[in-house]
Parts: sequence; C-alpha cells; structure tokens
Amino acid sequence: GAVVSQHPSRVICKSGTSVKIECRSLDFQATTMFWYRQFPKQSLMLMATSNEGSKATYEQGVEKDKFLINHASLTLSTLTVTSAHPEDSSFYICSAHPAGTEAFFGQGTRLTVV
Amino acid sequence: AQSVTQPDIHITVSEGASLELRCNYSYGATPYLFWYVQSPGQGLQLLLKYFSGDTLVQGIKGFEAEFKRSQSSFNLRKPSVHWSDAAEYFCAVGAVNDYKLSFGAGTTVTVRA
Repeated sequence: GAVVSQHPSRVICKSGTSVKIECRSLDFQATTMFWYRQFPKQSLMLMATSNEGSKATYEQGVEKDKFLINHASLTLSTLTVTSAHPEDSSFYICSAHPAGTEAFFGQGTRLTVV
Repeated sequence: AQSVTQPDIHITVSEGASLELRCNYSYGATPYLFWYVQSPGQGLQLLLKYFSGDTLVQGIKGFEAEFKRSQSSFNLRKPSVHWSDAAEYFCAVGAVNDYKLSFGAGTTVTVRA
C-alpha cells in the first residue's frame, strides 16, 4: 500500500510557542490531504482538508488562525499549531490517498504543550 | 450528514474465541465503509473496506465484515482472536470520491489469556 509519513512522531513544546507537523506522501502525489485530531481514548475528528496550491478548508469550530495548514507541494502538507496552549495537546494524524484508492494514514504526532 | 455509531466501548474476549464488533452508520447515499485498527500511540491501519459488490468483505489478519444495507450496519468479525488483536478498532464512513472520513467512537478490544 501507499506510505504516508508524519514527522515528528512526538513533540513537547512550551506554552506560547508554535510547532510544525509534517505529513508526506512518500510514493504518490496527493492534491488533497486531511488532518485529524484525536483526544485520549476518543475518536478522530476531522480538522481540515489541505489542498495543494490553495487554501485549506476547515471544519466548523476549528480555528484557522490557530491551526495553519500549508500544502506547498504534491507530497507535503504541514500543520502549524500557533501559540500553543496545554489544551492543544493531542494526537494529530494526517491522511492522503493515491488517485482512486482509499486514504492512508500517517503514524500520528503526539503533541504535548507544557 | 454522515455519522457512525459503535455501540460497544470496550470488549474483552478470550484468546481463541470469536469476536464481533458492531458498527452502524447514517448516510444519505451509498457509503464507503472502512474498519481501521490502531495500536497505542500509532496511526491507523486499514483492515478492510467496502465500496460495492459482495457484501461480505475479507480483510487482513483474518478479519471479515458484512455490509447490511437494511440494517445500516457493517459489523466486523474474527473467528479466533489472537493476543495481538488487542487494540482500538474504528469504523468509518466516507462518500464516493470524497476521501475525508467520519469515524465512530472506537471499540477497545482486550484479549485475555
């Protein structure tokens, strides 16, 4: 199957700083990628759709100024959590799909804001 | 709007016993249905998917699922559970040509020796 890689797998940052998470499609091109957030022992909630070369589409209730998404190439989308606070601590997962197939997920990034 | 319900939050099963995880969905059109498994701190691995055709779908690791349109269900089964099957299982639904998914709350499976 296709491979989606996320980096870093875990990150700890201080409150008020920003942190960037990368999502790469390693063996295919992806015009669209998706970012999900997962709270402990809960399900995945779609945050936004990352669109190559254009603005991301955010789900209702997701602060676009807090969660900046950039999809500058066909293999890379980044999620930047700006001015992070402890309540932003979570597990963030991205997905991407080769043309005509199902979505493949990255390994996830555990963000802890202290 | 699409939604997924997994009624069982936690299931404990003995190794070697059979396992069934329930999934009900709400969707206005023909759904794409998926089952994913997640180990602690890891991403999601696709177990199986249903797009169309045969309503009994075979997946990896000995899992199968049956799509029942009349019941809006897509239950996952495994005849004989192994200790390595202990994990979190998510049912998800998506639209045709729209790859964003709606997930159920998940079912935690514990396997006892």
